Amino acid sequence: DAGVTQSPTHLIKTRGQQVTLRCSPKSGHDTVSWYQQALGQGPQFIFQYYEEEERQRGNFPDRFSGHQFPNYSSELNVNALLLGDSALYLCASSGVGLREQYFGPGTRLTVT
Amino acid sequence: GQQLNQSPQSMFIQEGEDVSMNCTSSSIFNTWLWYKQDPGEGPVLLIALYKAGELTSNGRLTAQFGITRKDSFLNISASIPSDVGIYFCAGRSTGANSKLTFGKGITLSVRP
Repeated sequence: DAGVTQSPTHLIKTRGQQVTLRCSPKSGHDTVSWYQQALGQGPQFIFQYYEEEERQRGNFPDRFSGHQFPNYSSELNVNALLLGDSALYLCASSGVGLREQYFGPGTRLTVT
Repeated sequence: GQQLNQSPQSMFIQEGEDVSMNCTSSSIFNTWLWYKQDPGEGPVLLIALYKAGELTSNGRLTAQFGITRKDSFLNISASIPSDVGIYFCAGRSTGANSKLTFGKGITLSVRP
């Protein structure tokens, strides 16, 4: 049974560019949450998707957007990248009747 | 916004020793979680606590949900080299599957 998977593993982008990160939840999970983890910090909640809709959102600008597909996988899009967007982006999945979130390995984004 | 406080930032112990780390908040949480993160990986759930005063064990790990609902502690007994990593506390203030708020983490080093 595969856990949460994320792609790509690493990504280097230039300031001003746009990026799309992908996440496949654990089998049986229908809810996907995205977190940003800056170096030396704990993860910060970006938003959560359930039934293809954004259900909750953290304190992140509109440059951060997402999508959830019918198969429950999800994308995180970041527009107009800033140097400060460099971080590890984590996806966590959970499901009905499951109280806890399980994290993927993350995508390391570097903005130069 | 809500913040979780973890200190110190780093801890150094001898193999075989016990170690205790705590987490405090200015806000009440309904769920407390402890995660461990290894370099280049996503956080892995160690213990989940759902009720004030609850004491839960997972092998050599023991965690407690504070009576005030504003704190939690994690104890690791008889430490081994593979306990090395970053330990995060996380809290949830609303329903199941909702966003997690993380502390900044404590880096644990174990000397053989």
